[in-house]
Amino acid sequence: EPEVTQTPSHQVTQMGQEVILRCVPISNHLYFYWYRQILGQKVEFLVSFYNNEISEKSEIFDDQFSVERPDGSNFTLKIRSTKLEDSAMYFCASSDDKNTEAFFGQGTRLTVV
Amino acid sequence: LAKTTQPISMDSYEGQEVNITCSHNNIATNDYITWYQQFPSQGPRFIIQGYKTKVTNEVASLFIPADRKSSTLSLPRVSLSDTAVYYCLVGDDRGSTLGRLYFGRGTQLTVWP
Repeated sequence: EPEVTQTPSHQVTQMGQEVILRCVPISNHLYFYWYRQILGQKVEFLVSFYNNEISEKSEIFDDQFSVERPDGSNFTLKIRSTKLEDSAMYFCASSDDKNTEAFFGQGTRLTVV
Repeated sequence: LAKTTQPISMDSYEGQEVNITCSHNNIATNDYITWYQQFPSQGPRFIIQGYKTKVTNEVASLFIPADRKSSTLSLPRVSLSDTAVYYCLVGDDRGSTLGRLYFGRGTQLTVWP
């Protein structure tokens, strides 16, 4: 079964540092998403990406965040200057259409110290 | 977007059938009902989706009454590995708005031996 893969599985970074979280969506999918889940909290939408541009973003996705699809397979989330409150699980997801089920990756646990 | 209400937690024993009910009194005509499952430290996984009456797949059944103000996810003969959080999502375009998924708190199902 095809799957979304994310790397690294766990990243520890110092406050103020930049981090890049990587995702390889399912190969024939066209819609890509990032979600995050702070420990014990709900899964929260960050951003959706289609046709090489952001199609929607939440209020969480401020200027510190950016997404990129640098080549035909990877989809990255960059946090420019991490804060303690950015510590969370970050999930990448993809779907072949905005109306169909989204497939989620296993997540990257980001710990900001 | 229709608000959903689910029990915070449920307990069951192996081999039993589990029914998790979700209330969505303000469901709109175009809204679909979608259920996701999430294991600890993993991304959500699509279980089932429906619009009305009954939908069944290899994992679960989804019962939707005629007024569509609630829905019931039915898991037959649960096992310990079904212990997870179950989310009910309601929205247009098959449970999402522009591909965005809105997760609530979900229902923590614990299956005991």
